[in-house]
Amino acid sequence: ETGVTQTPRHLVMGMTNKKSLKCEQHLGHNAMYWYKQSAKKPLELMFVYSLEERVENNSVPSRFSPECPNSSHLFLHLHTLQPEDSALYLCASSQESGSYEQYFGPGTRLTVT
Amino acid sequence: GESVGLHLPTLSVQEGDNSIINCAYSNSASDYFIWYKQESGKGPQFIIDIRSNMDKRQGQRVTVLLNKTVKHLSLQIAATQPGDSAVYFCAEKDPYNFNKFYFGSGTKLNVKP
Repeated sequence: ETGVTQTPRHLVMGMTNKKSLKCEQHLGHNAMYWYKQSAKKPLELMFVYSLEERVENNSVPSRFSPECPNSSHLFLHLHTLQPEDSALYLCASSQESGSYEQYFGPGTRLTVT
Repeated sequence: GESVGLHLPTLSVQEGDNSIINCAYSNSASDYFIWYKQESGKGPQFIIDIRSNMDKRQGQRVTVLLNKTVKHLSLQIAATQPGDSAVYFCAEKDPYNFNKFYFGSGTKLNVKP
């Protein structure tokens, strides 16, 4: 185990639903990340948080809303998603933002119907 | 953004043989690279990294080679084992944004017993 947990592991939601993804890291890291991994596409950075402050928003649509209440927890709130948003959403953490070694969680497999 | 790509989407090798996975990058200013391993149902796992001031770096059964002249990166796995079966992808650190990595699409390594 990497020390980064994500819940739920699988999620199916309709386009009008509102759901949240949760990430927790037990490593004492100060930076946390959300990535999107679509089939046959490279991993895409979505958001970066450093000490609970968002330091990177990689042109992500507003239907994805991150929240970082403390340095151990990261959420991704989802609303009015599109079928093309179906993907594996990965959370990662690192000692500091910009640290080279990131530890990834197992991901949440999201299907939007 | 810069592109990081992999030459072969799937590689099949016999158990005990050596494996070589390749990656191309496009930004000659990039100075740091990582190889990740992603097993089914898991998040990416850091394998080995290399800085641009090096041509070669060795780990346990893995070696990364960097050819800056042709902007090419390779991962060599010695005595490949069934547990090495996974998707491998390279990542290139954005030289202008320390929060960002650009990831390749991945090569699936199948190890035949």
